[in-house]
Amino acid sequence: DAKTTQPTSMDCAEGRAANLPCNHSTISGNEYVYWYRQIHSQGPQYIIHGLKNNETNEMASLIITEDRKSSTLILPHATLRDTAVYYCIVTRDDKIIFGKGTRLHILP
Amino acid sequence: DTEVTQTPKHLVMGMTNKKSLKCEQHMGHRAMYWYKQKAKKPPELMFVYSYEKLSINESVPSRFSPECPNSSLLNLHLHALQPEDSALYLCASRQEDVSNQPQHFGDGTRLSIL
Repeated sequence: DAKTTQPTSMDCAEGRAANLPCNHSTISGNEYVYWYRQIHSQGPQYIIHGLKNNETNEMASLIITEDRKSSTLILPHATLRDTAVYYCIVTRDDKIIFGKGTRLHILP
Repeated sequence: DTEVTQTPKHLVMGMTNKKSLKCEQHMGHRAMYWYKQKAKKPPELMFVYSYEKLSINESVPSRFSPECPNSSLLNLHLHALQPEDSALYLCASRQEDVSNQPQHFGDGTRLSIL
């Protein structure tokens, strides 16, 4: 079973920041938090990952709480092309267990 | 565009046919993966290869037979499949020798079993 809990779906207005939460209360000390997304008819796309510090790249920011039991993926200026299923995953090794993810709808 | 190339993009086959799915990457990744994804469900791990050797088999039926002929190629041989095997089959690769690297996915082969 997936070790994460995410809302089933979310809406966000185009141009606004999209904040996607994830709970991972059973995360182990050496497990990383990864985010992927899957746009319709494509394979999953890596977005960002982190251990305990906040991370930022050209796609998104990842905020991890101090106790590491939850995190938030932030897409700073959402566009229609960000409509996808977003998966939050915790792992320390080769195996990725995908949960059901959050279906993000960007509204024009 | 993805750096992991899967062929064919679509495949329709009968239950008695034998076919193969192919996956290729030229990023020097030494870990490669097969996933199965049913409609409106998340991907499920099937097999993991590490340095061309099978390291994980998630109790996949023997009608699916993986093969890793070299570090750039991964095949999935199909034989006597059932209609419930219709799905999107995804390949992924990862840089094995550096810790905590992400997986890179292809866009999959959409398989339909008649």
